[in-house]
Amino acid sequence: AQSVTQPDIHITVSEGASLELRCNYSYGATPYLFWYVQSPGQGLQLLLKYFSGDTLVQGIKGFEAEFKRSQSSFNLRKPSVHWSDAAEYFCAVGMDSSYKLIFGSGTRLLVRP
Amino acid sequence: DVKVTQSSRYLVKRTGEKVFLECVQDMDHENMFWYRQDPGLGLRLIYFSYDVKMKEKGDIPEGYSVSREKKERFSLILESASTNQTSMYLCASRGGGPWEQYFGPGTRLTVT
Repeated sequence: AQSVTQPDIHITVSEGASLELRCNYSYGATPYLFWYVQSPGQGLQLLLKYFSGDTLVQGIKGFEAEFKRSQSSFNLRKPSVHWSDAAEYFCAVGMDSSYKLIFGSGTRLLVRP
Repeated sequence: DVKVTQSSRYLVKRTGEKVFLECVQDMDHENMFWYRQDPGLGLRLIYFSYDVKMKEKGDIPEGYSVSREKKERFSLILESASTNQTSMYLCASRGGGPWEQYFGPGTRLTVT
C-alpha cells in the first residue's frame, strides 16, 4: 500500500541555521510529491511540488526539495531558517486518477532565537 | 487567489447532536475533500467529491456523511456526534495542478 513517512516528529534548529526535513514514500509508480506548511491555528499552505523534470524544485519562502528516486525520498531544505518558519510541515504523495493525496504524519519545527 | 472557507473556526457540540460542517470554494473546482487531523496521525481522508452529487469514501468514513448539492459547497455531516470525533477538520479543493489541493483554515470541533 502507498504510504508516506516523516521520521522526525519534532525538530529544533537555531535561527539562521540550515534545515532538512525528511520524507520517504512508498509508491509503485512515479509519484507526485508535495510539501505543505501549517502555521498554528491555520490551514495548510502549499510550499512546493514535484511532478516531473528537474529533481530539485524551488518553492515559496526560500524552501527547496530534492526528489531522489533511488532513495524514495523528497526531503525539504532551507539554507537559513527564520523564526517565522516555526510550524508543522507535511509531505504528501498524489496517487492515481482520483487526485487523492496521502499525507505523512508531519514534522513540527521549533526555531530557537 | 483561491479561497476556501469553512463555516466555523471553533465548534463545541454535545454527544449525540447532529453536526454540520460547511466548506465553500470560489474557484469552480470540481474536486473537494474533507480530512480530519489528529496529532501524530497527519491528515486522514474522510470523504471526497469529484462532482455535484458525486462522492466517494475516503479512508475513515465511518460516522460521517457528506453532501454536495452545488459545485462550490461541500458539507460534512456527523449524524450523531461522539467524543472520538473531537478533532480538527480540514476542507480542501483541487485545482491548478493535477493533485494540487487548496485548504481552508480548519474547524476545531470539540464533542463533550
